[in-house]
Amino acid sequence: GAGVSQSPRYKVTKRGQDVALRCDPISGHVSLYWYRQALGQGPEFLTYFNYEAQQDKSGLPNDRFSAERPEGSISTLTIQRTEQRDSAMYRCASSLIGSHTSTDTQYFGPGTRLTVL
Amino acid sequence: AQKVTQAQTEISVVEKEDVTLDCVYETRDTTYYLFWYKQPPSGELVFLIRRNSFDEQNEISGRYSWNFQKSTSSFNFTITASQVVDSAVYFCALSEAQWIIQGAQKLVFGQGTRLTINP
Repeated sequence: GAGVSQSPRYKVTKRGQDVALRCDPISGHVSLYWYRQALGQGPEFLTYFNYEAQQDKSGLPNDRFSAERPEGSISTLTIQRTEQRDSAMYRCASSLIGSHTSTDTQYFGPGTRLTVL
Repeated sequence: AQKVTQAQTEISVVEKEDVTLDCVYETRDTTYYLFWYKQPPSGELVFLIRRNSFDEQNEISGRYSWNFQKSTSSFNFTITASQVVDSAVYFCALSEAQWIIQGAQKLVFGQGTRLTINP
């Protein structure tokens, strides 16, 4: 079966431009997460959704970052007025249900490598 | 606050050697979950294992084994008879119960250990 997919895989943009990163979770997965991974570091939590509801956005670094999941499936992470410090790998993950049962492993997508020039 | 420390930044061994990756965590919760993920050179993050704080039984899966010790707040990962295909960055992660109660697993990752297996 298909895993989590993300597009684009690579994005190079100029400082000041807006970018939209897309995540297509595993079909039927309720929870969707966004993480950011700087080079040489572990992923850091940005935000997550249960269905279409954004439950926690405490990890978004500032108001230039926003995310949506309008129909409870595909999600878009948008960065406005990009800055060089936004350069990183942006990872999306999904899990079947957002609970502590054994079936809710987070499965990660391949990531989008964002480079801001 | 929760924190995961992987003190070994890089490890390099020769194929067939055993290697242990260390993970030390900090949490004030009594209920939490620990994870290991593998990031091969291709870049994806692959789930390896999940343990809850009430289960200190060690786990073995083929050449992989995990040693969970609450007394030292450690969750170490051992690869026996390492192979070149084991070369990757390995991440340890923690999720506290407060997030699970809210219906999510907010993972806090360590910085990762880059493991290189030389032929």
